[in-house]
Amino acid sequence: GQNIDQPTEMTATEGAIVQINCTYQTSGFNGLFWYQQHAGEAPTFLSYNVLDGLEEKGRFSSFLSRSKGYSYLLLKELQMKDSASYLCAVRGGSYIPTFGRGTSLIVHP
Amino acid sequence: DADVTQTPRNRITKTGKRIMLECSQTKGHDRMYWYRQDPGLGLRLIYYSFDVKDINKGEISDGYSVSRQAQAKFSLSLESAIPNQTALYFCATSDQDRETDNEQFFGPGTRLTVL
Repeated sequence: GQNIDQPTEMTATEGAIVQINCTYQTSGFNGLFWYQQHAGEAPTFLSYNVLDGLEEKGRFSSFLSRSKGYSYLLLKELQMKDSASYLCAVRGGSYIPTFGRGTSLIVHP
Repeated sequence: DADVTQTPRNRITKTGKRIMLECSQTKGHDRMYWYRQDPGLGLRLIYYSFDVKDINKGEISDGYSVSRQAQAKFSLSLESAIPNQTALYFCATSDQDRETDNEQFFGPGTRLTVL
């Protein structure tokens, strides 16, 4: 089975940096995804990590440590529109992604 | 036009009714998935399909059935709806190549309420 854990809710200030953590335990590992989901909308893909290290995409970066079963999503220069849920999903040995419960990020002015 | 579409977008029904949710995609992907999302529980996999006529149970398949008659279409049925099936349902697709970062593409969701 798979177990994915991420904080339920985080708050941050516009312009700041926030780090959303995800820890996982899986049977096999074939990549970790981060998705963004605004309220009432579909999740959209943000990033993918399969090797250890940092992947940077503009204001968003994602880090993976396979030995620690740990990932984080780093959001820089926060904007109000970044208020959303952030979903961590792990693709295990079956190549089927399993999602965590999501982290609701609230950005304050 | 959207790549992944779902119909209906909203549905209110009564306990015991049979309901079908439809998903269509124009991305040419072989893999399709049905998830439900409940507050505080994240996305949970109901069924998935890797190809036409291929059907696999997910984490929470009880009370649901699916049909994959064509590559572009994957339908989800609730044979006898019950109130705890009230949720937001998402269809998703992904490409078949296992070796790449094949992210999932989600439809807009169907909000189902069972009274």
